[in-house]
Amino acid sequence: DAMVIQNPRYQVTQFGKPVTLSCSQTLNHNVMYWYQQKSSQAPKLLFHYYDKDFNNEADTPDNFQSRRPNTSFCFLDIRSPGLGDAAMYLCATSRDATGGGEQYFGPGTRLTVT
Amino acid sequence: GNSVTQMEGPVTLSEEAFLTINCTYTATGYPSLFWYVQYPGEGLQLLLKATKADDKGSNKGFEATYRKETTSFHLEKGSVQVSDSAVYFCALSLHMFSGGYNKLIFGAGTRLAVHP
Repeated sequence: DAMVIQNPRYQVTQFGKPVTLSCSQTLNHNVMYWYQQKSSQAPKLLFHYYDKDFNNEADTPDNFQSRRPNTSFCFLDIRSPGLGDAAMYLCATSRDATGGGEQYFGPGTRLTVT
Repeated sequence: GNSVTQMEGPVTLSEEAFLTINCTYTATGYPSLFWYVQYPGEGLQLLLKATKADDKGSNKGFEATYRKETTSFHLEKGSVQVSDSAVYFCALSLHMFSGGYNKLIFGAGTRLAVHP
C-alpha cells in the first residue's frame, strides 16, 4: 500500500542535542509537509517542500530546519532542542496544488526532550 | 481571516448513540472541507471530504454536508461504536498561489469518548 512512513516513532533527545526525524513516502507526491502537534492541540504547520522548493512558515523558529534530498524522503532537523520542542511531529504529503487539497499523514514521531 | 471553529469536547456517548460534531468555517474563496480523525498515539487519517457546496462526504458510517449558506460542515454518525473513540479535526484547504500548495486550516479538535 502507498503510504507515508515516519521513523522513529519515538525519539528521546537531550536538551540542546541535535536530532533528526525522517519521513518517506511511496505516494510520489510533489509536496511534503512537517507539522508540530502539542498535546490536545491542532497540528501547526512548520514548513513544506514543493518538489525542491522550500517554504517556511513565518512563525517557525530558526531552530527547525528541513532537507529533502529526493522526492521520497524529507528530514526535520532540530538544531538545539529545548524542553518546549517536546511534541508529536507529523509528516504529510499532497499531490500538488490542484485537486481537492487533501493531505496524507504519517503516524508521527513523538519527541521527548530530557 | 480564514478559520475553523468546532464544538468543544469531550463528547461522551454510549455505544449506538447518534453523533453530531459541529464545525463552521470562515474563508475567502471556495475551500475544500475535510474531517480528519486521530486515534491515540497516531497520525491523522482522512475521514471524509467535500470539495464544493452541497457535496456530501461519507465514510465508515460518518457523513458531512458542505453547507455554503451556513458555512458549516457538521460531522454525523447514526450509531457510534467504542472503536470510534478518537479526536476529530475539521479542516479547510486553501490554495496558496505563493508556494503552489494547499494549506490546511484546522479546528481545535473534538475528543469523542464512546462507552459500552
